[in-house]
Amino acid sequence: AQTVTQSQPEMSVQEAETVTLSCTYDTSENNYYLFWYKQPPSRQMILVIRQEAYKQQNATENRFSVNFQKAAKSFSLKISDSQLGDTAMYFCAFMIPGAGSYQLTFGKGTKLSVIP
Amino acid sequence: DAGVTQSPTHLIKTRGQQVTLRCSPKSGHDTVSWYQQALGQGPQFIFQYYEEEERQRGNFPDRFSGHQFPNYSSELNVNALLLGDSALYLCASSSTHAMDDEQYFGPGTRLTVT
Repeated sequence: AQTVTQSQPEMSVQEAETVTLSCTYDTSENNYYLFWYKQPPSRQMILVIRQEAYKQQNATENRFSVNFQKAAKSFSLKISDSQLGDTAMYFCAFMIPGAGSYQLTFGKGTKLSVIP
Repeated sequence: DAGVTQSPTHLIKTRGQQVTLRCSPKSGHDTVSWYQQALGQGPQFIFQYYEEEERQRGNFPDRFSGHQFPNYSSELNVNALLLGDSALYLCASSSTHAMDDEQYFGPGTRLTVT
């Protein structure tokens, strides 16, 4: 069974600063996807960034980037130039692709507060 | 283009009752997954429907059942409600024909069992 661990229940960052959210996972699979989802108070889960395990290059989406360490089974999210709209719950998630399977395994989340 | 929609937004039920939650997938999507998110927790996978059949199931009892209709919309049914069933229920849709595996989530239904 796959597990995802987020060890930081809450974090805060000053507006315009950089913050890193941690995530570790456990799996015996070699091919998998990793995701960071954002859930603002509106509750709608929004995909922030994804990483395929076979890709060595770390994914980047504008102000969001990941540090993917496959051997260490670590997948951290860096948010640069933090904005007030980044305030939300952030969930790390894991998926094994194939055969049309879309089951996501989530961590417990990190509550991020951006302080003006 | 409408995204994933869910109804109702909020629901209050009494222990022992039955409840039905509804989900309409994003246009062009054919697969629907349901997740339960307890307060302060990450979402947990309940099951997934494709071609009107349950394709995968998480670790949830048989009190949780579902259905997918020919138009790809889906229902989640929970029988004999327990206090512990109080949670946010999220629906996510995806397409088996898309180039990526991205799942799009709805805003959820907040179920309170008293």
